[in-house]
Amino acid sequence: EDQVTQSPEALRLQEGESSSLNCSYTVSGLRGLFWYRQDPGKGPEFLFTLYSAGEEKEKERLKATLTKKESFLHITAPKPEDSATYLCAGAGGGAGNMLTFGGGTRLMVKP
Amino acid sequence: EPEVTQTPSHQVTQMGQEVILRCVPISNHLYFYWYRQILGQKVEFLVSFYNNEISEKSEIFDDQFSVERPDGSNFTLKIRSTKLEDSAMYFCASGSGSRTDTQYFGPGTRLTVL
Repeated sequence: EDQVTQSPEALRLQEGESSSLNCSYTVSGLRGLFWYRQDPGKGPEFLFTLYSAGEEKEKERLKATLTKKESFLHITAPKPEDSATYLCAGAGGGAGNMLTFGGGTRLMVKP
Repeated sequence: EPEVTQTPSHQVTQMGQEVILRCVPISNHLYFYWYRQILGQKVEFLVSFYNNEISEKSEIFDDQFSVERPDGSNFTLKIRSTKLEDSAMYFCASGSGSRTDTQYFGPGTRLTVL
């Protein structure tokens, strides 16, 4: 059974304090690892897709990396508007491109 | 920027009633999905739909659930006889032309079963 585990569950940072979020996965035939941002009461908002180990993607203060077992979302000098829940999801080898989601990391950035 | 839309934003229903949740995927997308998120829990896959048929479904998607693409723009999820445990946020998503492509999510419909 495919599994995605995220840590920590919650993270409090001061504005400007850089950190990393972890996503460990066991997804059979991984075809893509996705990062989403979710604000309270809203749908997941796409951030990055990573397809192979060693791949990195960047967008503003965020950088996602992928190894064969984990993915990291690095946040550099975060701002209060980066406060959200960050979700990691793996797409496995099934016919329907099902995403298996982790439980998310709730990030709070204090000014 | 094109986006997935969902209606209604909030649906309240009595246990045992049928509900239909509606979605308009991004217009040139070919893959369609439903997920749900029970309050405080993970986002869970329900079903994927491609070429007018279900391509994959989870154990949650039992005989009480059905999906349909009634026309060229809408994608619906029907729950025939709602249960208390169906209360959740339901998200529609769509993807373009590849099984590895990104899934873009709608804002969700909050379903409350009383």
